Amino acid sequence: DGGITQSPKYLFRKEGQNVTLSCEQNLNHDAMYWYRQDPGQGLRLIYYSQIVNDFQKGDIAEGYSVSREKKESFPLTVTSAQKNPTAFYLCASSIRDRVMDSNQPQHFGDGTRLSIL
Amino acid sequence: LAKTTQPISMDSYEGQEVNITCSHNNIATNDYITWYQQFPSQGPRFIIQGYKTKVTNEVASLFIPADRKSSTLSLPRVSLSDTAVYYCLVGDQRWFSGGYNKLIFGAGTRLAVHP
Repeated sequence: DGGITQSPKYLFRKEGQNVTLSCEQNLNHDAMYWYRQDPGQGLRLIYYSQIVNDFQKGDIAEGYSVSREKKESFPLTVTSAQKNPTAFYLCASSIRDRVMDSNQPQHFGDGTRLSIL
Repeated sequence: LAKTTQPISMDSYEGQEVNITCSHNNIATNDYITWYQQFPSQGPRFIIQGYKTKVTNEVASLFIPADRKSSTLSLPRVSLSDTAVYYCLVGDQRWFSGGYNKLIFGAGTRLAVHP
């Protein structure tokens, strides 16, 4: 089945440690996104990428980094500079509407829950 | 800055029709209005998307008036499994760059369906 796979489902970070969250899609989508969700809140955009080897900062990019070396992969690194990393992280992908430049439905993975040890 | 306003929570009973209304200002003229459903500890799932008037699929209907300043998601005959958070999303013209309108996720509407 086509979809988005996020791993691991649960992750623990020690002080001063960088951790990387994996996101893989086999939907052949151009665009991929990372969101952060805190309890009882909506999603906030961290980074997005519309094409391989290109990505843009979202609302809350500080303390995070990404890469987009392959179309199907968009890993997120939570660096030690992110002082409050405990959250639910969601990855999504979508086709890119090159005609209307409008938003296309995003397909989400089932998330990674990151906690601090 | 596009912003959406939805009720924080709603309650319903099995078999009833549920209507959730979302207000949105500064929606981009070329942008769709999209609704998602989210269960606890899962990613949001696409429900329905529309530009104007009425859209219907197998799970919901979406009503959008001519001025596009609001939209209403209609769930016919809800069941217990429809208990979830529902998000109304529109693009943000501030981010219209390179063909991407950033989606704005508000806090959503928590729908509780009771037996």
